[in-house]
Amino acid sequence: DSGVTQTPKHLITATGQRVTLRCSPRSGDLSVYWYQQSLDQGLQFLIQYYNGEERAKGNILERFSAQQFPDLHSELNLSSLELGDSALYFCASSGALAGGYEQYFGPGTRLTVT
Amino acid sequence: GQNIDQPTEMTATEGAIVQINCTYQTSGFNGLFWYQQHAGEAPTFLSYNVLDGLEEKGRFSSFLSRSKGYSYLLLKELQMKDSASYLCAVRGPGNQFYFGTGTSLTVIP
Repeated sequence: DSGVTQTPKHLITATGQRVTLRCSPRSGDLSVYWYQQSLDQGLQFLIQYYNGEERAKGNILERFSAQQFPDLHSELNLSSLELGDSALYFCASSGALAGGYEQYFGPGTRLTVT
Repeated sequence: GQNIDQPTEMTATEGAIVQINCTYQTSGFNGLFWYQQHAGEAPTFLSYNVLDGLEEKGRFSSFLSRSKGYSYLLLKELQMKDSASYLCAVRGPGNQFYFGTGTSLTVIP
């Protein structure tokens, strides 16, 4: 158990819908990262937040948005869902802003868009 | 653009040593990471290199040569539980992470 929690574990929804994925980092960690993992594209970095502020942005679509709240939990919002958005979404946390600090991954949310 | 290359599959024998290579091309470099991922599970951090040289951590070691854009992960005394996918990732410009497609390692008795 990494100490990072993600809800829900599984989500099935239809194209065009909007969903929110939630992540609670390990106690004391200020950085939260979001990743998407699909079979054909591997693990893709989406975005990083540090203490409520966006710090790094990867291949995140405009239909996707994220935020980190004062209690440090984070949410990833996916809208106008397409079949291709079906993937495993991981959240990770670390104690450092940048650099080589260990990231602890949550168990992931499996999103299926039908 | 950013490019991370690693072999797709490798097979090794229990008790042996295996080296998984990773080459990368990035416009900026802020560190290289190795992760282990068992099927159906989340990745777990194995190692981090930002300076040239070897970092050792138990049965696992990781090496980096920034001038060659090259890293390897060395696994010693292989165990069956080491069968997993090994992901090489580079932190590049803007502190973004770029992952290779992963090396699926199978350990056989």
